[in-house]
Amino acid sequence: KNQVEQSPQSLIILEGKNCTLQCNYTVSPFSNLRWYKQDTGRGPVSLTIMTFSENTKSNGRYTATLDADTKQSSLHITASQLSDSASYICVVRSGGNTPLVFGKGTRLSVIA
Amino acid sequence: DVKVTQSSRYLVKRTGEKVFLECVQDMDHENMFWYRQDPGLGLRLIYFSYDVKMKEKGDIPEGYSVSREKKERFSLILESASTNQTSMYLCASSPPGNYEQYFGPGTRLTVT
Repeated sequence: KNQVEQSPQSLIILEGKNCTLQCNYTVSPFSNLRWYKQDTGRGPVSLTIMTFSENTKSNGRYTATLDADTKQSSLHITASQLSDSASYICVVRSGGNTPLVFGKGTRLSVIA
Repeated sequence: DVKVTQSSRYLVKRTGEKVFLECVQDMDHENMFWYRQDPGLGLRLIYFSYDVKMKEKGDIPEGYSVSREKKERFSLILESASTNQTSMYLCASSPPGNYEQYFGPGTRLTVT
């Protein structure tokens, strides 16, 4: 069964610190993996997308990695800010028009 | 920019009422989706549509129906609302191939 597992479920860090969120998937075939950020009460917004051939991609203070062999991805946030407080959702696309497979998300809280 | 709008941000309905949730996208996307999001469960696909007047069941279609009479509009219908349908409802759209989904702001529905 196609699944996406994220860890940790929730995380609290101090402002200015770094953190890493994990995503493991069993989706096959694999097309791409995307990280979304969802602020409380809002819809998810795409942060970055990784295809099979990409290992690392950055978007400002966000850096995503992908290991297609082990089917793992991570999202690293550098120098966290209070505005980074949100849920981060890992989503994998299999191919064609098949529905996306969503992880349950990691809830990040950045505190002063 | 892609814009996906949902008719209401917050909605309170009584048990047994018929509820309509409307979603409109302005990017001429073929694909549209309805999800519900609950704490600890993540996003779950209710219904999706790849074309006008076309619909497919997602993972949790029971208690819901949909309508897509025009390409830009996808409606979710709760024929007889129940308390277990209290949730955040998210609409999304994507171009062919489902490469990336763009989400609306969500409707928080409370059924009392």
